Amino acid sequence: EIVLTQSPATLSLSPGERATLSCGASQSVSSSYLAWYQQKPGLAPRLLIYDASSRATGIPDRFSGSGSGTDFTLTISRLEPEDFAVYYCQQYGSSPYTFGQGTKLEIK
Amino acid sequence: EVQLVESGGGLVQPGRSLRLSCTASGFTFGDYAMSWVRQAPGKGLEWVGFIRSKAYGGTTEYAASVKGRFTISRDDSKSIAYLQMNSLKTEDTAVYYCTRGSYYGSGSPVDYWGQGTLVTVSS
Repeated sequence: EIVLTQSPATLSLSPGERATLSCGASQSVSSSYLAWYQQKPGLAPRLLIYDASSRATGIPDRFSGSGSGTDFTLTISRLEPEDFAVYYCQQYGSSPYTFGQGTKLEIK
Repeated sequence: EVQLVESGGGLVQPGRSLRLSCTASGFTFGDYAMSWVRQAPGKGLEWVGFIRSKAYGGTTEYAASVKGRFTISRDDSKSIAYLQMNSLKTEDTAVYYCTRGSYYGSGSPVDYWGQGTLVTVSS
């Protein structure tokens, strides 16, 4: 099983700042099959990024993903008030398709 | 518009069983794998398992934490996926999300989620 470790657990930033979230895998993620999701309280997660760097439909271009192998990054270039939420990475290259434990992005 | 609607959640005693249903619409159900993801209160997301489409054998895969206790099945004629949960434990308490899987036999990012149904395992 591939274990995904997200860092930091909590990130405190202000609107307008740049956010960098990390996701490390215990083994190489095949074909960069890694996704990022955003979740707000009481709601289902929303797909942001798939295949490590492709934006999902309707996702603003301030969200970008990068990485390969065991190290992946989600970058939010300029934080908007609606971006403060919990973010999860997930690998879907090797079953079981595990999630990271999440990074909470909070307003400073 | 793709819609996934879960039902069947509720309060159940440890050791008992419960079956969740996921009714799908807005896409050709039989062409896609269907999967389940859960989230314990205040915790992160946990992938539970999935069932491939008939084109890929309709086979299933599960997380180690539920293997042997949970079974995923599907009725393509009704566009419904099921999660049969047996020998429930208190640690199975969670919101269970139904999600659309891959058009192919492999894994995929989750582009559609249901609203979730809460399962509480308690005596």
